[in-house]
Amino acid sequence: DIQMTQSPSSLSASVGDRVTITCRASQSIDNYLYWYQQKPGKAPMLLIYGASSLRSGVPSRFSGSGFGTEFTLTISGLQPEDFATYYCQQSYTTWTFGPGTKVDIK
Amino acid sequence: QVNLVQSGAEVKKPGASVKVSCRASGYTFRNYYIHWVRQAPGQGLEWMGIINPNTSSTSYAQKLQGRVTMTRDTSTSTVYMELSSLRSGDTAVYYCARDLGAPGVDFWGQGTLVTVSS
Repeated sequence: DIQMTQSPSSLSASVGDRVTITCRASQSIDNYLYWYQQKPGKAPMLLIYGASSLRSGVPSRFSGSGFGTEFTLTISGLQPEDFATYYCQQSYTTWTFGPGTKVDIK
Repeated sequence: QVNLVQSGAEVKKPGASVKVSCRASGYTFRNYYIHWVRQAPGQGLEWMGIINPNTSSTSYAQKLQGRVTMTRDTSTSTVYMELSSLRSGDTAVYYCARDLGAPGVDFWGQGTLVTVSS
């Protein structure tokens, strides 16, 4: 199985900050990489697909980049509604998720 | 509008089985694969498997092979996930999700809490 790691596991940030989360795959997954946001008690919500394509309706402050084994999710100008946990997920082979990055208020 | 409605919460004893349903509406059921994902309390997301509602073909996470079975009923547009030989570590919220292919999943069920306790 392909293993996914994320860093950091948690971070504290302020409204307006630029936040970057890194996701690494144990082998190349081309661009078969997705990013999700999850709030407590809710199902995950897809933000980014194909490593860098923004899902329709998702604010443009979210962006993704990367290819192969290293990927990033950037939130440019953190908003109050962005405090949540973020997961990466690969679909190059059967799905695996990263362990998550919790973004909370500084 | 697209909707995935899951069955209600379950409490099961260790060793028992549970069957969770996910009823789809608002789209052509056969056209979209369905994934099952679970989340233990306070933990991350774990992919369980996928079913093709058109052909009923499945693929399961290696960790759950032999314990999980996914089926579908096209007459009611419902997919089912059955997990057997339950243990405490299976306590989790179980989600179904519709797969668009390359663009990813777009709709999720509301989640079903399965509690395994003696």
